[in-house]
Amino acid sequence: DQQVKQNSPSLSVQEGRISILNCDYTNSMFDYFLWYKKYPAEGPTFLISISSIKDKNEDGRFTVFLNKSAKHLSLHIVPSQPGDSAVYFCAANNDMRFGAGTRLTVKP
Amino acid sequence: GAGVSQSPSNKVTEKGKDVELRCDPISGHTALYWYRQSLGQGLEFLIYFQGNSAPDKSGLPSDRFSAERTGGSVSTLTIQRTQQEDSAVYLCASSLALRQGAGYTFGSGTRLTVV
Repeated sequence: DQQVKQNSPSLSVQEGRISILNCDYTNSMFDYFLWYKKYPAEGPTFLISISSIKDKNEDGRFTVFLNKSAKHLSLHIVPSQPGDSAVYFCAANNDMRFGAGTRLTVKP
Repeated sequence: GAGVSQSPSNKVTEKGKDVELRCDPISGHTALYWYRQSLGQGLEFLIYFQGNSAPDKSGLPSDRFSAERTGGSVSTLTIQRTQQEDSAVYLCASSLALRQGAGYTFGSGTRLTVV
């Protein structure tokens, strides 16, 4: 049973614009939510996390928002850069399962 | 070592043969995970080791798959009687503990091709 879901398989944005990647979850007991970024032929790399006691965490161009009532989190990248083109996965640290991923393409 | 090391990086095997994939986690990391990514698919959880506890094998797709972690460090994922649908990138990750906000560190994976 998939407890973390990413319903958009792909997203394409123009360089300099905002990218918004979404993730939904079902288990309200998760402690942390994490985003990973994966380039082809490489393992995923940890990007940013948010504790369930917060609603926002910001790190440079990356901000993760958590809406606990909606069981929804989103990753905002602004401004988007071509080097951000990758597959982004969300996960919850109490559960080893990842979302299916969203392929982000940032066009120059 | 400095990161999670996986070997081999690529493996081509004939259908029906057994394969072993190796993972060297970051020194001191007590948790170790195996995932696989089939072409065009997301990350599929396979198995999880935490310290000396019994592993969580709930993600293993069939009894042809097994994994060991010797001495709380190196892990080997074994696939017996490989099938073409086993072709995927097998990823290993490690972390200090499950309940942590810093995430896992992944290796670069082993690309398995069953012909």
